This record gives sequence, structure tokens and C-alpha cells, in this order.
Amino acid sequence: AAGVIQSPRHLIKEKRETATLKCYPIPRHDTVYWYQQGPGQDPQFLISFYEKMQSDKGSIPDRFSAQQFSDYHSELNMSSLELGDSALYFCASSSSFGSVLSEQFFGPGTRLTVL
Amino acid sequence: AQKVTQAQTEISVVEKEDVTLDCVYETRDTTYYLFWYKQPPSGELVFLIRRNSFDEQNEISGRYSWNFQKSTSSFNFTITASQVVDSAVYFCALSELPGTGGGADGLTFGKGTHLIIQP
Repeated sequence: AAGVIQSPRHLIKEKRETATLKCYPIPRHDTVYWYQQGPGQDPQFLISFYEKMQSDKGSIPDRFSAQQFSDYHSELNMSSLELGDSALYFCASSSSFGSVLSEQFFGPGTRLTVL
Repeated sequence: AQKVTQAQTEISVVEKEDVTLDCVYETRDTTYYLFWYKQPPSGELVFLIRRNSFDEQNEISGRYSWNFQKSTSSFNFTITASQVVDSAVYFCALSELPGTGGGADGLTFGKGTHLIIQP
């Protein structure tokens, strides 16, 4: 079965650079979520999109922005990168069809290292 | 505000022992969902179970079982006859129902319990 695809899997950037992470949800999933997991930490919810509209917002820094496109893929844009942005970034997707709340299927994550 | 507490930071047991991971949650909503995820050393998050707040029936899946008690706001996870491959960080998570506009809220995770199964 198709899973959530994230690219790139690894990314190394310098401080103050920008980074773009991409997420391709499971086919026919209409909701996408972004999470940030620092070293030894639990995943922290950043933002979610349902049918291309922002659905919920968590602890996303103002330097970050995200959007969901017409094909339901999503991109997380991160500017003015800081050392503290080094983390594993997960994308998850779910379907609103049928059950009220289906489980979120997580991608393999993008490991961002800021030097 | 919602909160998930996993008081056990790390548990170490010998293979074949039973082990229970505790999860206590707080939410103002009467309708919510609880989850358990496994994160092995490779880093991916593996879905284990979802339980809604109206279903307090305990669930068993092979060596895994879950005990949901609304009266104590707990959703504990037991692994029977543990194996080395069970070694991972286990996260308990909570989600409230989406609004009428659709979509869904992000998950609130606990800090995780690092489970070490020694051979």
C-alpha cells in the first residue's frame, strides 16, 4: 500500500538559509499535518491543512509557512534557519471520508540539520 | 488545553517479561481520540492503536493490549512476553474532534517512554 512520501529525507543547511520540505499524502487523503521532533523530544504539532485550507495551527514559528496544493501535496517553507530548527520533521496524512477521525499515517520524516 | 503525561521516561526489562506503559491524559472535550505510536531506533512513527472516548472496551492484538479507563483518564499499554524487537520509544497521543468545518486537530503527544528489552 502507498504511504506518505517526504522529500528530501535528509537536508543540511547553514544558519540563516531557507529550506523547503515536501510531503505527498496517501492517495485520496485530504488532510495533511506537519510535526517537528527535536532530539530526544516528542513530536510537536506545527500546522495542518484540510482541502487546501489551513485547519489547525500549533507551535509553528513565524519564520515557517506551509501550504497545501491542488494535488493535496504540501510544502513546509522554513526561512532564516536557526540551529534550534535542527530536528526530524514529520508529515502525516488522513482522510476525512467515512469515519469522523481516521488515524494519521506518518511519513518517514525529513531530518534537517542546521550548521 | 489538552495534555498527555507519560510518567515513565525509561523502562528496562528482560526479554519475556510483561511490561505496562502508563498514559494519563487531560482534556476538556467529552469526545476525543487516544493513540499509541511506536518509534523504533530507525525513527519512523508506527501507528499501533486508536481509541475513541466512547469506547472503553479493552483491546488485545497479539502480545499487545490496551486498558482505557475514563474514570482515571488513563490509557495504558501492556506488552506481554516482551521481545527485543519491542525496544523503542512509545508515544501516547490525544486528539480532539475537528470542528464543523472538517479537517482535524493535530495530535498532542506525551514525552514518550523509552522501552529497553534486554536479551
